[in-house]
Amino acid sequence: GAVVSQHPSWVICKSGTSVKIECRSLDFQATTMFWYRQFPKQSLMLMATSNEGSKATYEQGVEKDKFLINHASLTLSTLTVTSAHPEDSSFYICSALDANYGYTFGSGTRLTVV
Amino acid sequence: AQKVTQAQTEISVVEKEDVTLDCVYETRDTTYYLFWYKQPPSGELVFLIRRNSFDEQNEISGRYSWNFQKSTSSFNFTITASQVVDSAVYFCALRGYNTDKLIFGTGTRLQVFP
Repeated sequence: GAVVSQHPSWVICKSGTSVKIECRSLDFQATTMFWYRQFPKQSLMLMATSNEGSKATYEQGVEKDKFLINHASLTLSTLTVTSAHPEDSSFYICSALDANYGYTFGSGTRLTVV
Repeated sequence: AQKVTQAQTEISVVEKEDVTLDCVYETRDTTYYLFWYKQPPSGELVFLIRRNSFDEQNEISGRYSWNFQKSTSSFNFTITASQVVDSAVYFCALRGYNTDKLIFGTGTRLQVFP
């Protein structure tokens, strides 16, 4: 079946630094990728939708300059958390949409900003 | 507006008990899609089922079954003879007709004790 590889699984960074999270669709082409954020014991909140080759569409309240999304190819989307702060600590999950496989989720990245 | 409500925040059962997780949705679309996902402690989302609005047949897959009732806008999930490995957070999600976005409920944390 379809697999989305998300890296890293976890990352600890210092406040003020930037962190990049990658999601790759391994055996299919993902025309659309979604990025979610999940706080402990809470639901998945959609941050943005990205389509290959175009700018991401951000949900209301999500700072596009802080959460940079790049979807340069049909198999790779990246989320960069810029100038990270402790309040950005969260679990980030990507999801790829494909006509054949539907939604395939990455395994998530646990970001801790210290 | 689209909304998914999972009123049960946490459920605890003893192994071999049956348990039903409730999901109520709101949408104005006549065509829509409903999903259930399992999120074990490791964090990845495991796809369980997708149901479109035209298919009201109940589904059974092993110990899992789903009851879709359009009249009450509900899509409930039952685990029969629960096992410890069923312990996880379960999310119900909705996708409307003219959108690719998945709207997640707040999730139900299921704990199955031996």
